[in-house]
Amino acid sequence: DQQVKQNSPSLSVQEGRISILNCDYTNSMFDYFLWYKKYPAEGPTFLISISSIKDKNEDGRFTVFLNKSAKHLSLHIVPSQPGDSAVYFCAAVNTGNQFYFGTGTSLTVIP
Amino acid sequence: DAGITQSPRHKVTETGTPVTLRCHQTENHRYMYWYRQDPGHGLRLIHYSYGVKDTDKGEVSDGYSVSRSKTEDFLLTLESATSSQTSVYFCAISFLAGAGELFFGEGSRLTVL
Repeated sequence: DQQVKQNSPSLSVQEGRISILNCDYTNSMFDYFLWYKKYPAEGPTFLISISSIKDKNEDGRFTVFLNKSAKHLSLHIVPSQPGDSAVYFCAAVNTGNQFYFGTGTSLTVIP
Repeated sequence: DAGITQSPRHKVTETGTPVTLRCHQTENHRYMYWYRQDPGHGLRLIHYSYGVKDTDKGEVSDGYSVSRSKTEDFLLTLESATSSQTSVYFCAISFLAGAGELFFGEGSRLTVL
């Protein structure tokens, strides 16, 4: 069973607007969450992370929100830029240092 | 950029042949991972290592084996490749347990005919 889920395979947003990417998880024992960005023919690159003891972490245009009771996290990008167009993966880490990834959301930012 | 090198970057092979993918790191990180990426499945963990000679299975380990005889090298072996193992394989490394990030290699595209 998929422990980390991204139910939206794709998302299109106008440049300058907010992009919201969502992720759900099933295992309450995950204690750390991350977002990765991936361009075609490249490896994923780390974007932002959040510990399970926090509910928000912000880094420039990127903010990650964690709702533990709902087992849900989201990534907000504002303002969105055409260079943000990529596939975004959320990931969750357990105490054994195993990283579980979602299926990805392809973001297109329209100029 | 993290010093991770995957080889080969591209390989085409036939069903039933053995294949070995190599991941080499220059960061001296303790943890190393092999993932495969497939449409509709995202990134799935095949095997991981938490030190020399210490490895464990991930979500999709059937048909794969790994070895780590040195800190810097993590090998993924398909003993007898099948078409279902056609995929893009990513190696990743991490230095910190539980709260660190993964650094990924550029990927190895494997096609099994």
